[in-house]
Amino acid sequence: QGQLVQSGPEVKKPGASVKVSCKASGYAFSMYGVSWVRKAPGHGLEWMGWISGYSGKTNYAQKFQGRVTMTTDTFTSTAYMELRDLTSDDTAFYFCARDRCSGSNCPRAQIDFWGQGTLVTVSS
Amino acid sequence: QSVLTQPPSVSAAPGQKVTISCSGSSSNIGNHYISWYQLLPGAAPKVLIYENNKRPSGIPDRFSGSKSGTSGTLDITGLQPGDEAEYYCGTWDMGLSSGVFGGGTKVTVL
Repeated sequence: QGQLVQSGPEVKKPGASVKVSCKASGYAFSMYGVSWVRKAPGHGLEWMGWISGYSGKTNYAQKFQGRVTMTTDTFTSTAYMELRDLTSDDTAFYFCARDRCSGSNCPRAQIDFWGQGTLVTVSS
Repeated sequence: QSVLTQPPSVSAAPGQKVTISCSGSSSNIGNHYISWYQLLPGAAPKVLIYENNKRPSGIPDRFSGSKSGTSGTLDITGLQPGDEAEYYCGTWDMGLSSGVFGGGTKVTVL
């Protein structure tokens, strides 16, 4: 079935950057993509973007364009999400999720399962 | 505002049925699969339904999904106290070129 294990909680100051990792196991990493989704307190789920485990191609939500970078390390089957210029509005749980879309011609956000989540707190 | 529209809350007594609706448009639900997710406090989201009406292994058949046109529905029958959670619908929006979710529905077991 597979599993995604994310890195631990982070506390950052406004203006800083955070990089969250998501290590996959139990499946062929290159045959799937990874979507990143966040949930802020009192808000709903928010899709941030997607990266192909095969090609590294990315698709970012417009809201995060220019502020987020998603990458993968196929040797370690790990996906990364870096968010820059943090503000208090970025305080949230960040989730990676296995996405059934791994290529260019399929709709993203078709999620199979989720990582456990990483709490990112932005506070001065 | 969320691209997909869900009722903020639904409630029913144990053993009863609740139905959660998810309304979208032709650029999202009308042309793509809908999924449903359960969020329990302090836990990772769980996939309840994918590709409109399919259940992952381990998800009881008390949970069922359907889609018609630009709307989807999640039914939970035989409601249990452990079903108290937030439920979200999600899909792809080809106009926005983005994943989209509903605003979430809080299910309360009376």
